[in-house]
Amino acid sequence: DTGVSQDPRHKITKRGQNVTFRCDPISEHNRLYWYRQTLGQGPEFLTYFQNEAQLEKSRLLSDRFSAERPKGSFSTLEIQRTEQGDSAMYLCASSIQGRKGEQFFGPGTRLTVL
Amino acid sequence: AQSVAQPEDQVNVAEGNPLTVKCTYSVSGNPYLFWYVQYPNRGLQFLLKYITGDNLVKGSYGFEAEFNKSQTSFHLKKPSALVSDSALYFCAVRYYKLSFGAGTTVTVRA
Repeated sequence: DTGVSQDPRHKITKRGQNVTFRCDPISEHNRLYWYRQTLGQGPEFLTYFQNEAQLEKSRLLSDRFSAERPKGSFSTLEIQRTEQGDSAMYLCASSIQGRKGEQFFGPGTRLTVL
Repeated sequence: AQSVAQPEDQVNVAEGNPLTVKCTYSVSGNPYLFWYVQYPNRGLQFLLKYITGDNLVKGSYGFEAEFNKSQTSFHLKKPSALVSDSALYFCAVRYYKLSFGAGTTVTVRA
């Protein structure tokens, strides 16, 4: 399978715990994006990378959130001291550089904070 | 700011009937518009995009969309809906990130 993959698919954690999600983009894609989707809403942009550089972070990304893409390949999204409001689907997407290319999405990681 | 709006939360049609899902956009400059579909507990699947050129764009699974600059709309259409088209549909506009509408739930009844 050469699509975008995410791990884990589901994560249940207790409030206050740290969690980390992984995204593996399509291999030739140099851009990688993170979105968050809550029930009944469209995905909201969190951050994106071009190669290993993080070029923008949404104000939705509080200081408890950090994302990395150390070698320009896979990316991790970490949430520290999770809160119940962090419960959502976290989607990763990748694309080639440029506005015209469509973004290909992974299956998402569903986070539930108890 | 780039944004899209999907005025209908839900669309219900009978199988075999035409399906239309509405989207309007607000952008500065040329719009790059996309439609995605999401099935339950799945990620988003790309359907089609408008970048430039013909106003009628054809995409996956028999879907097409019509770009209308004067009405700032990009409605998704399918001439004959299938029960398997029942899903959540998102319109989006892209600068570098995608800005999504709130989504329209499509239910196709047999």
